[in-house]
Amino acid sequence: EIVLSQSPGTLSLSPGERATLSCRASESVTASYLAWFQQKPGQAPSLLIYGASSRATGIPDRFSGSGSGTDFTLTISRLEPEDSAVYYCQQYGSLPMTFGQGTKVEIK
Amino acid sequence: EVQLVESGGGLVQPGRSLRLSCAASGFTFDDYAMHWVRQAPGKGLEWVSGISWRGDNIGYADSVKGRFTISRDNAKNSLYLQMNSLRTEDTAFYYCVKGSHIWLHSTLTFWGQGSRVTVSS
Repeated sequence: EIVLSQSPGTLSLSPGERATLSCRASESVTASYLAWFQQKPGQAPSLLIYGASSRATGIPDRFSGSGSGTDFTLTISRLEPEDSAVYYCQQYGSLPMTFGQGTKVEIK
Repeated sequence: EVQLVESGGGLVQPGRSLRLSCAASGFTFDDYAMHWVRQAPGKGLEWVSGISWRGDNIGYADSVKGRFTISRDNAKNSLYLQMNSLRTEDTAFYYCVKGSHIWLHSTLTFWGQGSRVTVSS
């Protein structure tokens, strides 16, 4: 199975700053079938990015995804207080589908 | 409005069985693959199983293969997960998740609120 490793484990930034989250795969992700999810405490996850770089419906343009092959990045260009959450990457090109362990974003 | 409502969770002893159900509404159910994803307390997300629109393409995580069975009834707009030989490590919130199209390899576009399963003696 494809193992996804996310870094850093925790990111602590101030509002307005830029957040860069990394997701590295143990082997190439088929057709860039890589997604990012946001999960706030006590809530179900919600889709942010699919196909490595396409924003899901209703997602603000301060969220962007990039990458291909084995290296992918989620960028939040200007952090808002409501962006405090855990972010997961997930590959859906190969079975079993797998998730990274998550990056926690804290807003100072 | 898309809605996914899970039911059937609860407390069960190790080795016993449980069947989760997911009632879907607000979209054409048989136009989409469906999935189960779980999250153990305080832990990350784990894909459990997925099923294509007609149920002819199915996948499982290695951790549940041979013990869990996914199925769907398109006439009832419902998804199911039969969980047998439950283990303490199966304790988690189980989410019903809608795929982005008919095929199994689809992104996870909408999540239900989850059903808690606790396996303990």
